[in-house]
Amino acid sequence: DIQMTQSPSSLSASVGDRVTITCRASQTITSYLNWYQQKPGKAPKVLIFGASSLQSGVPSRFSGSGSGTDFTLTISSLQPEDFATYYCQQSYSTPYTFGQGTKLEIK
Amino acid sequence: EVQLVESGGALVQPGGSLRLSCTASGFTFSSYAMSWVRQAPGKGLEWVSAISGSGVTTYYADSVKGRFTISRDSSKNTLYLQMNSLRAEDTAVYYCAKENFRYYYIDVWGKGTTVTVSS
Repeated sequence: DIQMTQSPSSLSASVGDRVTITCRASQTITSYLNWYQQKPGKAPKVLIFGASSLQSGVPSRFSGSGSGTDFTLTISSLQPEDFATYYCQQSYSTPYTFGQGTKLEIK
Repeated sequence: EVQLVESGGALVQPGGSLRLSCTASGFTFSSYAMSWVRQAPGKGLEWVSAISGSGVTTYYADSVKGRFTISRDSSKNTLYLQMNSLRAEDTAVYYCAKENFRYYYIDVWGKGTTVTVSS
């Protein structure tokens, strides 16, 4: 199985900050990397698919990059509604494993 | 509107069985692969199982292989997860999810149904 490792596990930041979350795969997944946002008590929501494609309706302050084994999610200017937990997921081969999550908190 | 609604979650004893259902609407159900993803209390997301649009091909996480069975009924626009030999570690919110053609990412999620395995 492909292991997904996110860092950091938690992060404190302020409104307006630029934030980067990284995700590393245990083997190449080409561009089959997706990012989700989850708020407490809610289902996750996709932000980025295929490593760098922005899902329709998602604000352009979110961006993704990377290929192979190393990927990043960047939020260019944090907004109050962005404080949530973020997960990466590989969809290159089953089981489609998730990273352990990054909890983004208000500083 | 594309919608997924799960049902069937309950409190069940260890070793027991349960069947989850997910009713889909707003899209051509038989055209899309579907998945189940779970989240234990206070923990991260765990991909559980997936099934192709035709229902012919199924996939499972090692943690549930041999105990859980995914299936679908396109005449009813419904996805199922039959869970047998349940363990305490299966306690979680179970989400039904629709896969997108491109990159197989999840583009629609249900609200989830809660399964608690406890004596």
